[in-house]
Amino acid sequence: GDSVTQTEGQVTVSESKSLIINCTYSATSIGYPNLFWYVRYPGEGLQLLLKVITAGQKGSSRGFEATYNKEATSFHLQKASVQESDSAVYYCALNSGGNYKPTFGKGTSLVVHP
Amino acid sequence: EAAVTQSPRNKVAVTGGKVTLSCNQTNNHNNMYWYRQDTGHGLRLIHYSYGAGSTEKGDIPDGYKASRPSQENFSLILELATPSQTSVYFCASGDTGAGAETLYFGSGTRLTVL
Repeated sequence: GDSVTQTEGQVTVSESKSLIINCTYSATSIGYPNLFWYVRYPGEGLQLLLKVITAGQKGSSRGFEATYNKEATSFHLQKASVQESDSAVYYCALNSGGNYKPTFGKGTSLVVHP
Repeated sequence: EAAVTQSPRNKVAVTGGKVTLSCNQTNNHNNMYWYRQDTGHGLRLIHYSYGAGSTEKGDIPDGYKASRPSQENFSLILELATPSQTSVYFCASGDTGAGAETLYFGSGTRLTVL
């Protein structure tokens, strides 16, 4: 089946520093999957951060960006300068081939220190 | 704004008891999902539904039942709760428009089975 592997555990970054959270995927269906980043802020449910449905394209939101790299099967999340308010859990996800059962990675907890 | 509401927010149950987790969406989305989130596992799909009257098994359905009596409501039922079902449960509805399904999540239910 489909699978998503992302940076495990907790990432700690100082405010104003850059961030990268790695995500690689494996999709079993023919064609290219749709790729997503979701974010869960403390006390809230997950919400969509960004999505890209076309290989080679870049998605961006709230200063975050991710590029759909079909050759490397990667969708890394990056931000040039993080803020304390970015502290949250980030999930990479995909769905593929018309299968409406999204597959999620295990989540990466981002802690931004002032 | 899409809205998914879960109840209760917190629940303590006894082993062997019956637990019902409720989810209501006002988005008019056909698809709905139940996930559980555990440390080290990320989000795992329990049951999902394509519309009123439909329920499908996800990746970890054992010990759970689901009910979708209407477009708006999707319940998760633990007939005989066990401590291994202690977890945080998320309900989501899926918007299949715009070329890729985006999920809208509730705030979660924290279930403790003693």
